[in-house]
Amino acid sequence: EVQLVQSGAEVKKPGESLKISCKGSGYRFTSYWIGWVRQMPGKGLEWMGIIYPADSETRYSPSFQGQVTISADRSITTVYLQWSSLKASDTAMYYCARHNSGIYLDAFDIWGHGTMVTVSS
Amino acid sequence: DIVMTQSPDSLAVSLGERATINCKSSQSVLYSSNSKNYLAWYQQKPGQPPKLLISWASTRESGVPDRFSGSGSGTDFTLTISSLQAEDVAVYYCQQYYNTLYSFGQGTKLEIK
Repeated sequence: EVQLVQSGAEVKKPGESLKISCKGSGYRFTSYWIGWVRQMPGKGLEWMGIIYPADSETRYSPSFQGQVTISADRSITTVYLQWSSLKASDTAMYYCARHNSGIYLDAFDIWGHGTMVTVSS
Repeated sequence: DIVMTQSPDSLAVSLGERATINCKSSQSVLYSSNSKNYLAWYQQKPGQPPKLLISWASTRESGVPDRFSGSGSGTDFTLTISSLQAEDVAVYYCQQYYNTLYSFGQGTKLEIK
């Protein structure tokens, strides 16, 4: 079964760092782009960025460039999203999602269950 | 950046009736080289991740009921549910993947009248 399994919910304080994960299985991990999508409480979907695990080529939304870092570890078929200094406004559900096929521009057909990040003092 | 605008923001339709959701992009998402529209539709139910319904503007994903259909080209697109079922209550999003600065519409909340 093709799936993306995300790490568990996090509660952090402002200024703390965080790295959440998304583990792919059931398919050739290096052949599909994986993206991250933010959903703030009660709000819509925002595309954050995307990575190609084969060579870690990465693209970021201008809204998130410099605010987060997306990385991948092919050896454990895992993609990461990290923050160096969290803000309260980072409180949201974060989804990872895989491209429908191995092409560069594509829709997301497989989604993780989401990781809830709460940032509060 | 390509801005995606959906209409309406919310919609109430009677069971068995047709539901229509519109999506407009600020620039064309049609690649002339392959005549494909880089446009997808997703369904999100409460507490769940989004589910891909339609890609390439009109290609229904495997397992998606045929009451769901997508149409349109260039900058104007439509998701149609031909006969609304109770399980179709959800928020629906369009998304462009014309370039890697992907973007989503703001969402349309579909309810039962």
